[in-house]
Amino acid sequence: QSALTQPPSASGSPGQSVTISCTGTSSDVGGYNYVSWFQHHPGKAPKLMIYEVSKRPSGVPDRFSGSKSGNTASLTVSGLQAEDEADYYCSSYAGSNSYVFGTGTKVTVL
Amino acid sequence: QLQLQESGPGLVKPSETLSLICTVSGDSIRSSSYYWGWIRQPPGKGLEWIGSINYSGNTNYNPSLKSRVTISADTSKNQFALKMTSVTAADTAVYYCARLSPRVPGWLDPWGQGTLVTVSS
Repeated sequence: QSALTQPPSASGSPGQSVTISCTGTSSDVGGYNYVSWFQHHPGKAPKLMIYEVSKRPSGVPDRFSGSKSGNTASLTVSGLQAEDEADYYCSSYAGSNSYVFGTGTKVTVL
Repeated sequence: QLQLQESGPGLVKPSETLSLICTVSGDSIRSSSYYWGWIRQPPGKGLEWIGSINYSGNTNYNPSLKSRVTISADTSKNQFALKMTSVTAADTAVYYCARLSPRVPGWLDPWGQGTLVTVSS
């Protein structure tokens, strides 16, 4: 299992949108509609933001949206807010009750 | 409110065994609705899946760690544990525990705050 590839960083001004990509293979991202996204503020517990590619858990703002095309999934944060500044990780089911995570993207709100 | 809390030694010597416990409050690990898992994050790196255990004690492990890792559960204490043998500096990481949904692969929520384990002599 190789880590999913994410850009190291992304940024945007308040109110703007930022999109983060997550590239895997046909054995993980491309093979299952089980891509999740996690928000991680350093020193705190990671938080589930998106599951099953595009679904939001209760309490997650609709500013967060997910999509997938082929072996690449994406997370878009619209209407950026200061509290969105964090590290974001994607993950994908990889079969046999195992998962693979992305390399992580640091989102900066300018 | 469901909470998970990791605990264990913060320093482990090379070649020794890393042992961590995740204490669950607000839910029973005997519930058939959820699995319980471990994830780690080496300093400056991304997250890595370690493995999980379900209510009946069935386990699944990351193939790259399988030979060194054991996950077990103590239902009387509502805890589950991670043991990793023959550790090296590469095992230095923040270790997290999390609740998983078997019906929704990828649903990992909530997570514990994490505990830093340093492997050093």
